[in-house]
Amino acid sequence: DTAVSQTPKYLVTQMGNDKSIKCEQNLGHDTMYWYKQDSKKFLKIMFSYNNKELIINETVPNRFSPKSPDKAHLNLHINSLELGDSAVYFCASSQGPPPSGYVLTFGAGSRLTVL
Amino acid sequence: AQKVTQAQTEISVVEKEDVTLDCVYETRDTTYYLFWYKQPPSGELVFLIRRNSFDEQNEISGRYSWNFQKSTSSFNFTITASQVVDSAVYFCALPSNTGKLIFGQGTTLQVKP
Repeated sequence: DTAVSQTPKYLVTQMGNDKSIKCEQNLGHDTMYWYKQDSKKFLKIMFSYNNKELIINETVPNRFSPKSPDKAHLNLHINSLELGDSAVYFCASSQGPPPSGYVLTFGAGSRLTVL
Repeated sequence: AQKVTQAQTEISVVEKEDVTLDCVYETRDTTYYLFWYKQPPSGELVFLIRRNSFDEQNEISGRYSWNFQKSTSSFNFTITASQVVDSAVYFCALPSNTGKLIFGQGTTLQVKP
């Protein structure tokens, strides 16, 4: 069983479309995250939820909207996609909320390509 | 603000060579954690190690070893007798006091047969 699973793994879409990426963790963790990795491999946090509550909201365009229906799921919806949104999006989870030394367990990533 | 610097963008070695990946960090916190993650060509991020700033003992796990030096704010990673399977991007990371895990720029290691 995959600990943190993301779907879809690949997403190719046109500018202006709306898309969603789903994430589920079966580790019983309380905290989930979305990270973005750009073409230069730079990783940056976007959002974090602890027990369905938003605790970290980085400076990202409001076209990005996370939703956590329960603590095992964290979805990312992106409206009006732009070329610059092309990246790999990683979901992750940890046992507890930041700041802490908890280890993050990452999903396999979802590669979004906007044409 | 916290910062992590991995000055080596790319390293290429031949199999069986030893290689050290550098990580220098900045923090004003007196206690903190440091992490290393590996991203193989398949793309997933794999946790390698977590080190508490209280513990300055070096750690060894098989061919991997980590040298934590608080005095120089460094947390370097050495692979002994490298193998082709070690080819990956390696990230050093430090949690900020606002909860964000701050990653270095990553070092791409290529191990040639």
